[in-house]
Amino acid sequence: GAGVSQTPSNKVTEKGKYVELRCDPISGHTALYWYRQSLGQGPEFLIYFQGTGAADDSGLPNDRFFAVRPEGSVSTLKIQRTERGDSAVYLCASSLLAGGSDTQYFGPGTRLTVL
Amino acid sequence: AQSVTQLGSHVSVSEGALVLLRCNYSSSVPPYLFWYVQYPNQGLQLLLKYTSAATLVKGINGFEAEFKKSETSFHLTKPSAHMSDAAEYFCAVRGTGFQKLVFGTGTRLLVSP
Repeated sequence: GAGVSQTPSNKVTEKGKYVELRCDPISGHTALYWYRQSLGQGPEFLIYFQGTGAADDSGLPNDRFFAVRPEGSVSTLKIQRTERGDSAVYLCASSLLAGGSDTQYFGPGTRLTVL
Repeated sequence: AQSVTQLGSHVSVSEGALVLLRCNYSSSVPPYLFWYVQYPNQGLQLLLKYTSAATLVKGINGFEAEFKKSETSFHLTKPSAHMSDAAEYFCAVRGTGFQKLVFGTGTRLLVSP
């Protein structure tokens, strides 16, 4: 079946602009996660959704970052007033359930470059 | 809190040689442990995971890992490296009751002919 998909695959923007990154999880997966991977680093947790609600947003770096999942499927990560330090690969993952040993399946990521 | 330490940002082996990638974890609660592989410009793919059912875990592509509680380790091994194994490998921990994965900084495996 189809895996996790993310669009766009690449996004180049200018400092101060607003961007939206989209994630389509595997059908039927209730849990959805966003991570950020900077160059040479492992992925870092941003936010986790269980259904439509954000169950844990402790990883969002500041209030310029916001994510939604209005119908419990597709999610959008929104970044306001982008800064050069926001440049990274943004990864989305989904899992059938949440927690425990359940496997998180990752998408290919969106590479964001802020000029 | 949970954390993962991966010793060695780069590991070089010859084709056919043993692969050993090291991972040590810290967790205040019983952990679940994962190894993911990332090929260039691709997402993360699960290699294997420890779920407390067995301490020796076998994964895809001939990889395996052994959970050693006394050493807080979960090292990844493969008896014979292939050129296609060249990639970045990430160890991750998830504490019982927690949802997020905490990743190490990764180890790049280089395989020479």
